[in-house]
Amino acid sequence: AQSVTQLGSHVSVSEGALVLLRCNYSSSVPPYLFWYVQYPNQGLQLLLKYTSAATLVKGINGFEAEFKKSETSFHLTKPSAHMSDAAEYFCAVSVGSSNTGKLIFGQGTTLQVKP
Amino acid sequence: KAGVTQTPRYLIKTRGQQVTLSCSPISGHRSVSWYQQTPGQGLQFLFEYFSETQRNKGNFPGRFSGRQFSNSRSEMNVSTLELGDSALYLCASSPGTAKTIRSDNEQFFGPGTRLTVL
Repeated sequence: AQSVTQLGSHVSVSEGALVLLRCNYSSSVPPYLFWYVQYPNQGLQLLLKYTSAATLVKGINGFEAEFKKSETSFHLTKPSAHMSDAAEYFCAVSVGSSNTGKLIFGQGTTLQVKP
Repeated sequence: KAGVTQTPRYLIKTRGQQVTLSCSPISGHRSVSWYQQTPGQGLQFLFEYFSETQRNKGNFPGRFSGRQFSNSRSEMNVSTLELGDSALYLCASSPGTAKTIRSDNEQFFGPGTRLTVL
C-alpha cells in the first residue's frame, strides 16, 4: 500500500536561506510523486512531479526535488527562500497500478519565511 | 484553458441539512476526483468519476455521494450534515483514460468549497 510521510509540520527559514521540505514515501509499485503548494483559501497548485524520467525534477518558482529510491525519499528544495514562498506544501503519491484517480497526501508542511 | 471551477466557494449549513457542491473540470478532462481537507485529517480522497461512472471510492460513509454528467461536470452531495463535515472540499480533474494503463494521475485542483456546518 502507498503512503506518504512529511517530516516536520512547520518549517521556518529566513528570507534568502535554503528551503528543505522532507517527504518519504512507501509504495509497492514504482511511484509517481508530486509536490503541491497551497496558499491560504486556495486550492492546490502543482509544483513538480516525478514520473521516473529523471531523478532530479525541476519545478516552478525555483523549486526542485530529488527522487532517491534507496532512501524512499522525495525532498523538496529551493536554494533561496522568498517571502512569497510562505504557504503549505503537500507531498503526494499516486495510488495503484492503474488509473484510480486517487492521490495519497502527506499531512503537509507549513513553510514560514522570516524577513 | 480555463482551470477547474467549483461552486459555491462558501456554504453555511446546519446539522441535518443536505448540500450539493459542483465542479467543472478543465475542458477535455474526463476524470474528476473529490477530496476533503480538514485540519485534523488532512487531505482525504472521497471518490473519483470517469465517464459518468464512479471508479474509486474512499473510506467515507454513504452520506457522501457524487455523480458525473456527460459533459464531465461533477457534483457531490452530503446528506444529513454533521458538525464534522465542516471542511474544504476540493475537486481535481485529470485527462484520464479508460484503459487500465498506469499513468501518473497528475491532478489539477479547483479553489475548493468551504463548507461550514453549524
